[in-house]
Amino acid sequence: DAKTTQPNSMESNEEEPVHLPCNHSTISGTDYIHWYRQLPSQGPEYVIHGLTSNVNNRMASLAIAEDRKSSTLILHRATLRDAAVYYCILRSQNSGGYQKVTFGIGTKLQVIP
Amino acid sequence: DTAVSQTPKYLVTQMGNDKSIKCEQNLGHDTMYWYKQDSKKFLKIMFSYNNKELIINETVPNRFSPKSPDKAHLNLHINSLELGDSAVYFCASSIGLATDTQYFGPGTRLTVL
Repeated sequence: DAKTTQPNSMESNEEEPVHLPCNHSTISGTDYIHWYRQLPSQGPEYVIHGLTSNVNNRMASLAIAEDRKSSTLILHRATLRDAAVYYCILRSQNSGGYQKVTFGIGTKLQVIP
Repeated sequence: DTAVSQTPKYLVTQMGNDKSIKCEQNLGHDTMYWYKQDSKKFLKIMFSYNNKELIINETVPNRFSPKSPDKAHLNLHINSLELGDSAVYFCASSIGLATDTQYFGPGTRLTVL
């Protein structure tokens, strides 16, 4: 199974951009790259996902390397509410409907006021 | 309205007991999941169900058994509880495809004494 690696922790100043990296060097062609985050004492929540092209939504941007072996989640202006553990996840599905889900260890983001 | 709900929120029990955790989703999704988050915060998928059929069965002990009475429910039964089963268990659901967002429940904190 393809694995992901992330830094254990990162810090950011409030209102500054944050770049959260994820390495997935053994990614397969059918793997989608998903990012979730988990606030303290809550369940994970979806942030963004992509396959090959960079993606933007109201929460964040996802930059995917051309070879797809790494990706970066970009929070454009970090707020205190963005302090959470961010998980980089690979999800794939074959023609039979089988879903494969692989989690990284997550990056704990600390936002400094 | 709560999209994915779990009961109970907390569960404290003795070793050797059998317990169940219930999960319900009102999103009309076809796929539901169970995840285990241990004390180190590592999030690992245990099972998923699609249209009442088991899709993923990760290497979890057979003391754990998912049961889905209908598409909106996926309950987790645990037999002969052990100390190592203490963790937070999250239920999630998605439409079904690898591109789909997963919606997580609030979690059930299980403590085995």
